[in-house]
Amino acid sequence: TQLLEQSPQFLSIQEGENLTVYCNSSSVFSSLQWYRQEPGEGPVLLVTVVTGGEVKKLKRLTFQFGDARKDSSLHITAAQPGDTGLYLCAGSRGSNYKLTFGKGTLLTVNP
Amino acid sequence: GAVVSQHPSWVICKSGTSVKIECRSLDFQATTMFWYRQFPKQSLMLMATSNEGSKATYEQGVEKDKFLINHASLTLSTLTVTSAHPEDSSFYICSAPRWDRGYEQYFGPGTRLTVT
Repeated sequence: TQLLEQSPQFLSIQEGENLTVYCNSSSVFSSLQWYRQEPGEGPVLLVTVVTGGEVKKLKRLTFQFGDARKDSSLHITAAQPGDTGLYLCAGSRGSNYKLTFGKGTLLTVNP
Repeated sequence: GAVVSQHPSWVICKSGTSVKIECRSLDFQATTMFWYRQFPKQSLMLMATSNEGSKATYEQGVEKDKFLINHASLTLSTLTVTSAHPEDSSFYICSAPRWDRGYEQYFGPGTRLTVT
């Protein structure tokens, strides 16, 4: 059972376009993290959201945590080729720090 | 800079041999570390939770006798793939929650294992 449904799995867009990646669950998470991973490297933490309804911005990236803490979204404005990579959402429940990962979104931004 | 390191970054071994991968937290102590496996263009699959001073906790379907985990110190966890076979070829990644940053998890750079 995939506890975190991430969509879309693949996304290929042109430079300058906007995009949104969604992460949905029927379960409540105490926190949710977004990572970006490049081939042959480990995931790099982008942001952690912990409060329902929270919105965080990181330059052209906007992260939102749902009011019920069951879903999250990542919106990228004016995508650039350097944004290309695998984007992963991961949720944490309880105090054991174990993360549940979504299947990932492989983003390709074409120049 | 990196807060979690892995060694080696890549390794090639022959079928039937064992390979040890190290995961180190560089400037913080980690009583818990996690080991993941990742196939190309796919997400991370949690294999086990490494606990300092006690036995590791394995996820369902992961053979504990094949993937030996030792967490001998507060900054080092090791994963040993025993009697490796070609199907064990994969990208192995470790992570550690950082207690002084709200237990956010930081990942190592990964180890590419190829079994010939």
